[in-house]
Amino acid sequence: DVKVTQSSRYLVKRTGEKVFLECVQDMDHENMFWYRQDPGLGLRLIYFSYDVKMKEKGDIPEGYSVSREKKERFSLILESASTNQTSMYLCASSAPGLAGTDTQYFGPGTRLTVL
Amino acid sequence: DQQVKQNSPSLSVQEGRISILNCDYTNSMFDYFLWYKKYPAEGPTFLISISSIKDKNEDGRFTVFLNKSAKHLSLHIVPSQPGDSAVYFCAATYDNYGQNFVFGPGTRLSVLP
Repeated sequence: DVKVTQSSRYLVKRTGEKVFLECVQDMDHENMFWYRQDPGLGLRLIYFSYDVKMKEKGDIPEGYSVSREKKERFSLILESASTNQTSMYLCASSAPGLAGTDTQYFGPGTRLTVL
Repeated sequence: DQQVKQNSPSLSVQEGRISILNCDYTNSMFDYFLWYKKYPAEGPTFLISISSIKDKNEDGRFTVFLNKSAKHLSLHIVPSQPGDSAVYFCAATYDNYGQNFVFGPGTRLSVLP
């Protein structure tokens, strides 16, 4: 059974703190993604990575950075957390495939609250 | 500007009736569309997909219809069950590398017993 795990389900941090969100997948997928989900806005892509040490900015990368040192692990870093980064963070992975076979597999999400 | 739109934030349906969730897109390059279902405190899970070469795909109680000329797709759930109550996200992509997914804002479906 495919699995994407995220290090924390709930996290509370203070403004200005450095925050690390970890994601691990066991499907040997090349692609990994970080999204945030906010009411009325759906899922917005922060960053994605298509290979080890490779990263691409998504729609809302400001205030975030990422790290992918190993294929199975993709980390999201908030260098200095702010209250507007309070959100649900979702990690996903996918594999390049023939048209009609692409899908993303999501982790359970991390609910981050920044006070 | 949202490339994938779900104009109904919420929908309520009686158990046993049909649920119809709608999705519109603006980018004509999209050629593959997916629906995801999300329960509270869980990540989205893949539900059903359709390629642009088809206009219909069916999987049990779930059917997705695609109207390319109108840039519109819909998800039909028949019959609706209380366990279908969730947020449904429409997503679209245009590459074979599994990278460029664009999600809509979601529609919260409530199936009433």
